[in-house]
Amino acid sequence: DVKVTQSSRYLVKRTGEKVFLECVQDMDHENMFWYRQDPGLGLRLIYFSYDVKMKEKGDIPEGYSVSREKKERFSLILESASTNQTSMYLCASRGQGKETQYFGPGTRLLVL
Amino acid sequence: GENVEQHPSTLSVQEGDSAVIKCTYSDSASNYFPWYKQELGKRPQLIIDIRSNVGEKKDQRIAVTLNKTAKHFSLHITETQPEDSAVYFCAASKRWNTGKLIFGQGTTLQVKP
Repeated sequence: DVKVTQSSRYLVKRTGEKVFLECVQDMDHENMFWYRQDPGLGLRLIYFSYDVKMKEKGDIPEGYSVSREKKERFSLILESASTNQTSMYLCASRGQGKETQYFGPGTRLLVL
Repeated sequence: GENVEQHPSTLSVQEGDSAVIKCTYSDSASNYFPWYKQELGKRPQLIIDIRSNVGEKKDQRIAVTLNKTAKHFSLHITETQPEDSAVYFCAASKRWNTGKLIFGQGTTLQVKP
């Protein structure tokens, strides 16, 4: 079974803090994705990576950055957290040439 | 830009009835259309998908239909059961090599016993 894990299920941070969300997959997948999920807006793509050290902006990259130093790990960074970044963050991975994206359990982030 | 509209946002049916969720996409180059189910507190999971060279696909009680001319696709669940209660997301993709998906807004399905 594909396993995608995220470093935290719940996180509370202060405005202005630097926040790191980590995602790890154990299936040697090339492609990894970060989404945020908000009620009524569905899942929106923040960034994705199609290989190590490669990254591409998604639909809402503002205020976020990413890092992919190793194939199994994809980190989402909030350089200076703001209250409008309070959300559920979902990571996903996919094997190159495969169709299915496998999601992690999500991190619910609250920025105060 | 690319956009996927999903309706309805909420749907309530009696157990045993059918449920239909509809999505419309904007980019005619889209060629892959998955559906994900997210149970409360859990991660989204793929339940069925369809490629643009196929008009319909079935898997037991669920089916997806695609109308490329009208740029819309639908999820059909027959003989609904309480365990079908969840949020359903449709998505569309045209960039097969990167797997980038554009998701709809989601539909909360409630199946009443």
